[in-house]
Amino acid sequence: SAVISQKPSRDICQRGTSLTIQCQVDSQVTMMFWYRQQPGQSLTLIATANQGSEATYESGFVIDKFPISRPNLTFSTLTVSNMSPEDSSIYLCSVALKARVATEAFFGQGTRLTVV
Amino acid sequence: TQLLEQSPQFLSIQEGENLTVYCNSSSVFSSLQWYRQEPGEGPVLLVTVVTGGEVKKLKRLTFQFGDARKDSSLHITAAQPGDTGLYLCAGEVGNGNKLVFGAGTILRVKS
Repeated sequence: SAVISQKPSRDICQRGTSLTIQCQVDSQVTMMFWYRQQPGQSLTLIATANQGSEATYESGFVIDKFPISRPNLTFSTLTVSNMSPEDSSIYLCSVALKARVATEAFFGQGTRLTVV
Repeated sequence: TQLLEQSPQFLSIQEGENLTVYCNSSSVFSSLQWYRQEPGEGPVLLVTVVTGGEVKKLKRLTFQFGDARKDSSLHITAAQPGDTGLYLCAGEVGNGNKLVFGAGTILRVKS
């Protein structure tokens, strides 16, 4: 398993500003994932972050809006840039570990972002 | 695109009742997982099933993987208020460490 510390847990931000979310894992992992989630709904993958290379973004998400850093195998940041109210959501970081027969995901506690 | 359809979307029941949540796809998954998420927290893994027809039990929760590994169900017996939360199924895509998540089922158990 993995223990993931994510911060901040919540924030209220002014439109036009940026917020950087940090994610620390208690073990070295190759890939880290960033998701967005509306309360009570499923997870939408924003991007996959590999150490030492640029993140891979899913359709509808771009690097200029959601720049990601991955400086080492235990840490990553996601920045939500030039925020608008539509960016209000829960943001989750995750790692996927290969167990004996399957890949299992572990999540941070999430960052609840409100843009006003 | 591999999609996982999850039903029902919302379930509100009385304490002590039984319920079943379904997760269906037209695609075959190498494994399938169930997660529960409580407000203000990230999803937490409940179980992983990998073999077609597999049944796993976790106290009052019973998980089943379809014979063809395209569908799964979660059955809760005698639901408790502590079972309240968002339940998500997720299928493993190939061997690339990627998971596809279902739309989620919000369960509310009233005392």
